[in-house]
Amino acid sequence: ETGVTQTPRHLVMGMTNKKSLKCEQHLGHNAMYWYKQSAKKPLELMFVYNFKEQTENNSVPSRFSPECPNSSHLFLHLHTLQPEDSALYLCASSQDASGYEQYFGPGTRLTVT
Amino acid sequence: GQQLNQSPQSMFIQEGEDVSMNCTSSSIFNTWLWYKQEPGEGPVLLIALYKAGELTSNGRLTAQFGITRKDSFLNISASIPSDVGIYFCAGPGNYGQNFVFGPGTRLSVLP
Repeated sequence: ETGVTQTPRHLVMGMTNKKSLKCEQHLGHNAMYWYKQSAKKPLELMFVYNFKEQTENNSVPSRFSPECPNSSHLFLHLHTLQPEDSALYLCASSQDASGYEQYFGPGTRLTVT
Repeated sequence: GQQLNQSPQSMFIQEGEDVSMNCTSSSIFNTWLWYKQEPGEGPVLLIALYKAGELTSNGRLTAQFGITRKDSFLNISASIPSDVGIYFCAGPGNYGQNFVFGPGTRLSVLP
């Protein structure tokens, strides 16, 4: 596989569930990102990891918990979400956090019921 | 924080027409990126611009880095149905911000 992959592509969860989103990049990059894309809003950066270290948390609620075990994998753990958290969650990677060309995965469409 | 504005917000054009859209900022950017997003997919990088005044092409797409460094333009020539999507501009933010995306221009191509 090449590029940035995300699983699952679609997820429906209740407010009391716990689930995780997975992202994997096959580009040899060292920085990975989580974005949230809601309808009619610009892409919102959530978290940045550079060489496995979290370098940015954009005031994201604690019900979203990222994990980066290595430079190729990024997870977003979800628990006790709210309906307004329903959105497309996009993962991206770049050579490093100052490498501006970010490459995106296809996203996970999350619906919280 | 920094914001990017894009215009138009949406446009409907006939197949074969040329398209022009722009992205502006109140502050200087040192890099401009243009992405396209199709329904149900993540954004795909189209063109990256690194120097004021730079004009770069990618097939039927041409983008320019404005001289003032506060704007960028994307042109699509001879549009085809597969050009449909949302076009985003983006750039590295200053003051510790990582990346800033514009709100997008939604393009519809009528056959």
